[in-house]
Amino acid sequence: KNEVEQSPQNLTAQEGEFITINCSYSVGISALHWLQQHPGGGIVSLFMLSSGKKKHGRLIATINIQEKHSSLHITASHPRDSAVYICAVPPNAQGAQKLVFGQGTRLTINP
Amino acid sequence: DAGVTQSPTHLIKTRGQQVTLRCSPKSGHDTVSWYQQALGQGPQFIFQYYEEEERQRGNFPDRFSGHQFPNYSSELNVNALLLGDSALYLCASILYFGDPFSSYNEQFFGPGTRLTVL
Repeated sequence: KNEVEQSPQNLTAQEGEFITINCSYSVGISALHWLQQHPGGGIVSLFMLSSGKKKHGRLIATINIQEKHSSLHITASHPRDSAVYICAVPPNAQGAQKLVFGQGTRLTINP
Repeated sequence: DAGVTQSPTHLIKTRGQQVTLRCSPKSGHDTVSWYQQALGQGPQFIFQYYEEEERQRGNFPDRFSGHQFPNYSSELNVNALLLGDSALYLCASILYFGDPFSSYNEQFFGPGTRLTVL
């Protein structure tokens, strides 16, 4: 079983729809990262969260440490939101020298 | 304040050659991680540098080596290139909050260097 599982792997929606991407992890952590990667491009850090909820613009990230689950929501989605969204965690709660990445969710927003 | 920068953006090499990739971290960040992302795959951790030393290493052969300079910038060197080394190489600039190397940290990724080995 992968340490980080994302769902869905692919998501296509119409502009304006509310989007939810889920991430479950099997290791004990104290923080989780949500990242965005555009085709052929580098990675942009969206959120790092250790509890509760964070909001930035139309993006909202939530995490439940006890359930080892996090969600990324996009409100009023737009074609420019089309990208791969990745959650990443340090593999153990202590010592965060590296991140383990989920396989990513490819989001396509059609106009 | 510049973010994380990497150079070059694209590189084409032939098998057996050597390559050096460079990364300048975000201002105030003193730790750099390197990742390899093959096409269609998630990034894989190569190694991390802090205080000019390699702190942790992923499952990569010794052909992959690195260096960190006093200004926190870093280089990734790959010797004896193989076709399978073709990938996007990402640099992450990190600031740890609280305890050193705690899970609570700020990471910013550079745009990557796309290496093609022919």
